[in-house]
Amino acid sequence: QVQLQESGPGLVKPSETLSLTCAVSGFSIGSDHYWGWIRQPPGKGLERVGSVSHNGRIYYNPSLESRVTISLDTSKNQFSLKLSSVTAADTAVYYCARGLSGHDPFDYWGQGTLVTVSS
Amino acid sequence: QSALTQPPSVSGSLGRAVTISCTGTSSDVGSYNRVSWYQQPPGAAPKLMIYEVFNRPSWVSDRFSGSKSGNTASLTISGLQAEDEADYYCSSYTSSSTLIFGGGTRLTVL
Repeated sequence: QVQLQESGPGLVKPSETLSLTCAVSGFSIGSDHYWGWIRQPPGKGLERVGSVSHNGRIYYNPSLESRVTISLDTSKNQFSLKLSSVTAADTAVYYCARGLSGHDPFDYWGQGTLVTVSS
Repeated sequence: QSALTQPPSVSGSLGRAVTISCTGTSSDVGSYNRVSWYQQPPGAAPKLMIYEVFNRPSWVSDRFSGSKSGNTASLTISGLQAEDEADYYCSSYTSSSTLIFGGGTRLTVL
């Protein structure tokens, strides 16, 4: 059974960098598929942040592309998200998920982690 | 790229059927069979229910079905059960090589 678990600070100050990690079990991230991040502001809808393939192909949301970095660490079977220069608008539940292609669908999801941007 | 358009809420009675629509444009839903549907119960992560318009993952009941006509995709849930009460989101690949989601639909089971 594929399982994903997000971890990282729940509070980030404005203008700083948000950093999250997703630990994957039950599947080797270096063998296949895409690995992505999706976020959901409180009370709002879903927004894909970006995805990276097992062999390094990357897709970022154009509206976030200048601030986002997603990378794989196959030795630890985990992948990470860095979002720089955050503002209150980046406050959201961040989900990591496995993608069957570069864009969708996402078949396995983590439980999500709330990140609040506030001083 | 604008979000796909979904009705904010729909309701249906136990045992009946309900359909949720997802309207896009000729640059997304209308041009690609890359529409997915996700179910999100309150406080939980989204769960994939339909992909590539009408395909169901192995864990999804055949009460859930997907279809598409022109720029509008639809999710139909038959034999409504209390456990179906959740938010539902559609998504589509776009001609800009991006992924967009709908605004979500709250399903209430009466």
